[in-house]
Amino acid sequence: EVQLVESGGGLVKPGGSLRLSCAASGFTFSSYSMNWVRQAPGKGLEWVSSISSSSSYIYYADSVKGRFTISRDNAKNSLYLQMNSLRAEDTAVYYCASGLAGYYFDYWGQGTLVTVSS
Amino acid sequence: EIVMTQSPATLSVSPGERATLSCRASQSVSSNLAWYQQKPGQAPRLLIYGASTRATGIPARFSGSGSGTEFTLTISSLQSEDFAVYYCQQYNNWWTFGQGTKVEIK
Repeated sequence: EVQLVESGGGLVKPGGSLRLSCAASGFTFSSYSMNWVRQAPGKGLEWVSSISSSSSYIYYADSVKGRFTISRDNAKNSLYLQMNSLRAEDTAVYYCASGLAGYYFDYWGQGTLVTVSS
Repeated sequence: EIVMTQSPATLSVSPGERATLSCRASQSVSSNLAWYQQKPGQAPRLLIYGASTRATGIPARFSGSGSGTEFTLTISSLQSEDFAVYYCQQYNNWWTFGQGTKVEIK
């Protein structure tokens, strides 16, 4: 059974940093691309970043480019999102999602809440 | 950036009735279109990919159609568990989601 478990969310002040993690199990993590998607309170889904299986290809939404860094450790079956220079508008539930069968997002974690507030 | 526009924003339907949700892309995305269902407090769940292929375990009452810029998700006979928010997503050129359609009980 595919499982994705996010962690690392919390309350941070504007301008601060946070690192999210996503622990994967139930599939060969090193063979598949992974993604981060966020959802601000009461709002829709927003794609944040994607990384290919070997980290050769990395993509970011314009809203986070230059501030967020996606990475993965295939030996640890883990995905990460380093978030710097956080803003109030980054407040959201952050989901990790897999792309096992294609470029769509077939499995999702339960999400971790990031709140940026002074 | 490809903009995805969903309509209507809210759809009021009685249980057992048919629901038709629309999604339009600002430029062609071929058949690289997925639909997701999200219930309150839960993560999204993949329903449809490739515009018309149901994901594993998705009931046959869910069907998707369309290609290019116009897409439709149809729920043939709404069950109580189908009341939720539905999002379309294009994955032809990076990734973008529609703003969602809330299907509520009439």
